[in-house]
Amino acid sequence: EVQLVESGGGLVQPGGSLRLSCAASGFTFSSYEMNWVRQAPGKGLEWVSYISSSGSTIYYADSVKGRFTISRDNAKNSLYLQMNSLRAEDTAVYYCARGYNYGYWGQGTLVTVSS
Amino acid sequence: QTVVTQEPSLTVSPGGTVTLTCASSTGAVTSGYYPNWFQQKPGQAPRALIYSTSNKHSWTPARFSGSLLGGKAALTLSGVQPEDEAEYYCLLYYGGVQRVFGGGTKLTVL
Repeated sequence: EVQLVESGGGLVQPGGSLRLSCAASGFTFSSYEMNWVRQAPGKGLEWVSYISSSGSTIYYADSVKGRFTISRDNAKNSLYLQMNSLRAEDTAVYYCARGYNYGYWGQGTLVTVSS
Repeated sequence: QTVVTQEPSLTVSPGGTVTLTCASSTGAVTSGYYPNWFQQKPGQAPRALIYSTSNKHSWTPARFSGSLLGGKAALTLSGVQPEDEAEYYCLLYYGGVQRVFGGGTKLTVL
């Protein structure tokens, strides 16, 4: 069974940093592209970042470029999102999603940026 | 700033048919935008329904179909069920580098 489990969310002050993780199981993680998508409270979905299966190709939404860094460790079946210089508008549930077709999603982890 | 536009809300009767659309501020949506569709119910993670315009996932009910219609991506539900009441989002790819979600359509089954 394919499983994606996000962790690392929490309350952080503006300007702070947080690292999210997504633990994958039930499939060959190294064969799949991965994505981060977020959803602010009561709002729609926003694509955040993409990483290719090898990690050699990476894309970011303009809203996070220069502040967030996506990475992966295929040996540990894990996806990461390093978030720096956090702003109030980064408050959201962060989901990891598998593949070019976003076929599988985790349940999300909540990040709250507030003083 | 690329904007993807969906109907904010639609209402359909049980057993009826409804089409949701997804438009791009850059012009006509083509298969090269690889339209994806997702369903999200309150308190749940999104669930993928359609990818690359019209391809269904193994779990996608047969009553859901994707297409291109009048320069937009479209999701059609035929024989709507009460459990189809949800928020629906489209996602478009821009040059492979950017992906943009639409604002979502709240579908009410009444």
